[in-house]
Amino acid sequence: SAVISQKPSRDICQRGTSLTIQCQVDSQVTMMFWYRQQPGQSLTLIATANQGSEATYESGFVIDKFPISRPNLTFSTLTVSNMSPEDSSIYLCSVSLGYGYTFGSGTRLTVV
Amino acid sequence: QQQVKQSPQSLIVQKGGIPIINCAYENTAFDYFPWYQQFPGKGPALLIAIRPDVSEKKEGRFTISFNKSAKQFSLHIMDSQPGDSATYFCAASLSGGSNYKLTFGKGTLLTVNP
Repeated sequence: SAVISQKPSRDICQRGTSLTIQCQVDSQVTMMFWYRQQPGQSLTLIATANQGSEATYESGFVIDKFPISRPNLTFSTLTVSNMSPEDSSIYLCSVSLGYGYTFGSGTRLTVV
Repeated sequence: QQQVKQSPQSLIVQKGGIPIINCAYENTAFDYFPWYQQFPGKGPALLIAIRPDVSEKKEGRFTISFNKSAKQFSLHIMDSQPGDSATYFCAASLSGGSNYKLTFGKGTLLTVNP
Protein backbone atom coordinates (compact mmCIF):
# COMPACT_ATOMS: atom_id res chain seq x y z
CA SER A 1 0.00 0.00 0.00
CA ALA A 2 1.02 3.64 -0.36
CA VAL A 3 3.00 5.41 2.34
CA ILE A 4 1.72 8.86 3.20
CA SER A 5 3.70 11.49 5.08
CA GLN A 6 1.65 14.28 6.54
CA LYS A 7 3.06 17.45 8.12
CA PRO A 8 2.72 18.91 10.66
CA SER A 9 1.50 16.13 12.91
CA ARG A 10 -0.03 18.65 15.27
CA ASP A 11 -0.22 22.40 15.78
CA ILE A 12 -1.79 24.95 18.05
CA CYS A 13 -2.83 28.10 16.21
CA GLN A 14 -4.31 31.45 17.04
CA ARG A 15 -7.77 32.25 15.75
CA GLY A 16 -7.76 34.28 12.56
CA THR A 17 -4.54 32.73 11.27
CA SER A 18 -4.06 30.09 8.58
CA LEU A 19 -2.30 26.72 8.58
CA THR A 20 -1.09 24.77 5.58
CA ILE A 21 -0.96 20.99 5.86
CA GLN A 22 1.27 18.99 3.54
CA CYS A 23 0.66 15.50 2.23
CA GLN A 24 3.41 13.55 0.43
CA VAL A 25 2.79 10.11 -1.12
CA ASP A 26 5.47 7.63 -2.14
CA SER A 27 3.60 6.71 -5.35
CA GLN A 28 1.97 8.69 -8.11
CA VAL A 29 -1.78 8.89 -7.62
CA THR A 30 -4.54 10.49 -9.63
CA MET A 31 -6.79 11.51 -6.76
CA MET A 32 -5.96 12.70 -3.29
CA PHE A 33 -8.67 13.13 -0.69
CA TRP A 34 -8.78 15.46 2.31
CA TYR A 35 -10.90 14.51 5.31
CA ARG A 36 -11.77 16.19 8.59
CA GLN A 37 -12.35 14.23 11.77
CA GLN A 38 -13.77 16.26 14.60
CA PRO A 39 -13.06 15.04 18.15
CA GLY A 40 -14.70 11.67 18.73
CA GLN A 41 -16.44 11.79 15.37
CA SER A 42 -16.32 10.06 12.03
CA LEU A 43 -14.48 11.20 8.93
CA THR A 44 -16.04 13.78 6.66
CA LEU A 45 -14.70 14.39 3.16
CA ILE A 46 -13.66 17.99 2.58
CA ALA A 47 -12.56 17.79 -1.04
CA THR A 48 -11.03 15.67 -3.75
CA ALA A 49 -7.83 16.95 -5.36
CA ASN A 50 -7.05 15.90 -8.92
CA GLN A 51 -3.68 16.91 -10.32
CA GLY A 52 -3.99 19.62 -12.93
CA SER A 53 -7.50 20.73 -12.11
CA GLU A 54 -9.45 22.54 -9.41
CA ALA A 55 -10.34 20.54 -6.34
CA THR A 56 -13.91 19.35 -5.95
CA TYR A 57 -15.45 20.39 -2.63
CA GLU A 58 -18.18 18.61 -0.71
CA SER A 59 -21.28 20.34 0.53
CA GLY A 60 -20.47 22.59 3.45
CA PHE A 61 -16.85 23.18 2.46
CA VAL A 62 -15.66 26.09 0.31
CA ILE A 63 -12.45 26.92 -1.46
CA ASP A 64 -11.98 30.24 0.32
CA LYS A 65 -11.88 28.45 3.67
CA PHE A 66 -10.01 25.32 2.58
CA PRO A 67 -7.85 26.11 -0.47
CA ILE A 68 -6.08 23.07 -1.88
CA SER A 69 -3.05 22.79 -4.11
CA ARG A 70 -2.07 19.74 -6.15
CA PRO A 71 1.13 20.63 -8.02
CA ASN A 72 2.08 17.06 -8.97
CA LEU A 73 1.02 13.42 -8.67
CA THR A 74 2.66 12.84 -5.27
CA PHE A 75 1.94 15.99 -3.29
CA SER A 76 -0.95 18.12 -2.07
CA THR A 77 -1.56 20.82 0.49
CA LEU A 78 -4.68 21.83 2.38
CA THR A 79 -4.86 25.27 3.97
CA VAL A 80 -7.26 26.00 6.79
CA SER A 81 -7.86 29.74 6.52
CA ASN A 82 -9.02 32.36 9.02
CA MET A 83 -9.26 29.70 11.70
CA SER A 84 -11.75 29.64 14.54
CA PRO A 85 -12.01 27.20 17.46
CA GLU A 86 -14.62 25.27 15.47
CA ASP A 87 -11.84 24.27 13.06
CA SER A 88 -10.13 22.27 15.80
CA SER A 89 -10.04 18.79 14.30
CA ILE A 90 -7.82 16.13 12.84
CA TYR A 91 -7.20 16.66 9.14
CA LEU A 92 -6.27 13.59 7.10
CA CYS A 93 -5.22 13.02 3.53
CA SER A 94 -5.96 9.79 1.76
CA VAL A 95 -5.15 8.08 -1.53
CA SER A 96 -6.24 4.97 -3.35
CA LEU A 97 -4.02 2.79 -5.49
CA GLY A 98 -6.75 0.40 -6.52
CA TYR A 99 -6.48 -1.95 -3.56
CA GLY A 100 -7.98 0.25 -0.92
CA TYR A 101 -7.63 3.65 0.57
CA THR A 102 -4.61 4.57 2.67
CA PHE A 103 -4.68 7.40 5.17
CA GLY A 104 -1.96 9.58 6.55
CA SER A 105 -1.57 9.76 10.31
CA GLY A 106 -3.30 13.10 10.36
CA THR A 107 -2.69 16.65 11.53
CA ARG A 108 -4.20 17.43 14.91
CA LEU A 109 -5.15 21.10 14.86
CA THR A 110 -6.13 23.07 17.93
CA VAL A 111 -7.31 26.64 17.46
CA VAL A 112 -7.18 28.89 20.52
CA GLN B 1 -28.79 12.20 4.80
CA GLN B 2 -26.62 9.56 6.44
CA GLN B 3 -25.81 7.02 3.76
CA VAL B 4 -24.00 4.52 6.01
CA LYS B 5 -25.46 3.78 9.43
CA GLN B 6 -23.25 2.01 11.96
CA SER B 7 -24.13 0.40 15.27
CA PRO B 8 -23.47 0.09 18.11
CA GLN B 9 -21.75 3.34 19.03
CA SER B 10 -19.67 1.55 21.65
CA LEU B 11 -19.08 -2.06 22.62
CA ILE B 12 -17.36 -3.74 25.54
CA VAL B 13 -16.41 -7.43 25.44
CA GLN B 14 -14.21 -9.75 27.41
CA LYS B 15 -11.04 -11.20 25.95
CA GLY B 16 -11.92 -14.11 23.69
CA GLY B 17 -15.38 -12.76 22.94
CA ILE B 18 -16.73 -12.09 19.44
CA PRO B 19 -17.73 -8.44 19.01
CA ILE B 20 -20.04 -7.77 16.08
CA ILE B 21 -20.39 -4.35 14.48
CA ASN B 22 -23.18 -3.70 12.01
CA CYS B 23 -23.58 -1.29 9.13
CA ALA B 24 -26.43 -0.55 6.75
CA TYR B 25 -26.23 1.44 3.55
CA GLU B 26 -28.77 3.17 1.36
CA ASN B 27 -27.12 3.66 -2.01
CA THR B 28 -27.45 0.45 -4.03
CA ALA B 29 -24.71 1.68 -6.36
CA PHE B 30 -22.09 1.20 -3.64
CA ASP B 31 -19.89 -1.75 -4.52
CA TYR B 32 -16.92 -1.55 -2.19
CA PHE B 33 -17.27 -1.94 1.57
CA PRO B 34 -14.14 -1.58 3.70
CA TRP B 35 -13.64 -1.62 7.44
CA TYR B 36 -11.08 0.60 9.09
CA GLN B 37 -9.41 0.37 12.47
CA GLN B 38 -8.22 3.52 14.17
CA PHE B 39 -6.09 3.80 17.28
CA PRO B 40 -5.87 7.08 19.20
CA GLY B 41 -3.54 9.54 17.51
CA LYS B 42 -3.33 7.50 14.32
CA GLY B 43 -5.02 7.62 10.95
CA PRO B 44 -7.51 4.89 10.03
CA ALA B 45 -5.94 1.68 8.73
CA LEU B 46 -7.66 -0.64 6.29
CA LEU B 47 -8.61 -3.85 8.05
CA ILE B 48 -10.62 -5.82 5.51
CA ALA B 49 -12.90 -5.05 2.59
CA ILE B 50 -15.60 -6.85 0.61
CA ARG B 51 -17.38 -6.45 -2.70
CA PRO B 52 -21.06 -7.35 -3.16
CA ASP B 53 -20.41 -10.46 -5.25
CA VAL B 54 -19.48 -12.46 -2.12
CA SER B 55 -21.39 -12.98 1.12
CA GLU B 56 -18.44 -13.47 3.44
CA LYS B 57 -14.75 -12.72 3.60
CA LYS B 58 -12.25 -13.78 6.25
CA GLU B 59 -8.80 -12.42 6.97
CA GLY B 60 -7.25 -13.84 10.07
CA ARG B 61 -9.56 -13.18 13.02
CA PHE B 62 -11.65 -10.65 11.09
CA THR B 63 -14.71 -11.62 9.07
CA ILE B 64 -17.08 -9.49 7.01
CA SER B 65 -20.59 -10.80 6.42
CA PHE B 66 -22.48 -9.14 3.58
CA ASN B 67 -26.22 -9.23 2.86
CA LYS B 68 -26.89 -7.49 -0.44
CA SER B 69 -30.68 -7.80 -0.33
CA ALA B 70 -30.83 -6.26 3.12
CA LYS B 71 -28.14 -3.69 2.27
CA GLN B 72 -26.25 -4.63 5.41
CA PHE B 73 -22.75 -5.77 6.29
CA SER B 74 -21.06 -6.59 9.54
CA LEU B 75 -17.63 -7.11 11.06
CA HIS B 76 -16.95 -10.02 13.39
CA ILE B 77 -13.75 -10.23 15.42
CA MET B 78 -12.98 -13.77 16.53
CA ASP B 79 -11.08 -14.43 19.75
CA SER B 80 -10.87 -10.71 20.49
CA GLN B 81 -7.80 -9.42 22.32
CA PRO B 82 -7.15 -6.27 24.37
CA GLY B 83 -4.98 -5.06 21.49
CA ASP B 84 -8.11 -4.96 19.33
CA SER B 85 -9.43 -2.09 21.46
CA ALA B 86 -9.86 0.72 18.95
CA THR B 87 -12.47 2.61 16.98
CA TYR B 88 -13.84 0.75 13.98
CA PHE B 89 -15.38 2.46 10.98
CA CYS B 90 -17.33 0.89 8.18
CA ALA B 91 -17.41 2.68 4.85
CA ALA B 92 -18.79 2.37 1.35
CA SER B 93 -17.74 3.57 -2.06
CA LEU B 94 -18.57 3.37 -5.74
CA SER B 95 -16.79 1.59 -8.52
CA GLY B 96 -14.48 -0.69 -6.64
CA GLY B 97 -13.09 1.93 -4.36
CA SER B 98 -10.60 3.49 -6.69
CA ASN B 99 -10.66 7.25 -7.18
CA TYR B 100 -14.07 7.55 -5.60
CA LYS B 101 -14.79 9.00 -2.21
CA LEU B 102 -15.53 6.88 0.82
CA THR B 103 -18.66 7.44 2.87
CA PHE B 104 -18.04 6.50 6.50
CA GLY B 105 -20.24 5.28 9.30
CA LYS B 106 -20.06 7.11 12.61
CA GLY B 107 -17.71 4.58 14.20
CA THR B 108 -17.79 2.03 17.02
CA LEU B 109 -15.52 2.30 20.01
CA LEU B 110 -14.55 -1.24 20.95
CA THR B 111 -13.08 -2.09 24.33
CA VAL B 112 -11.77 -5.60 24.96
CA ASN B 113 -11.21 -6.23 28.64
CA PRO B 114 -8.45 -8.63 29.73
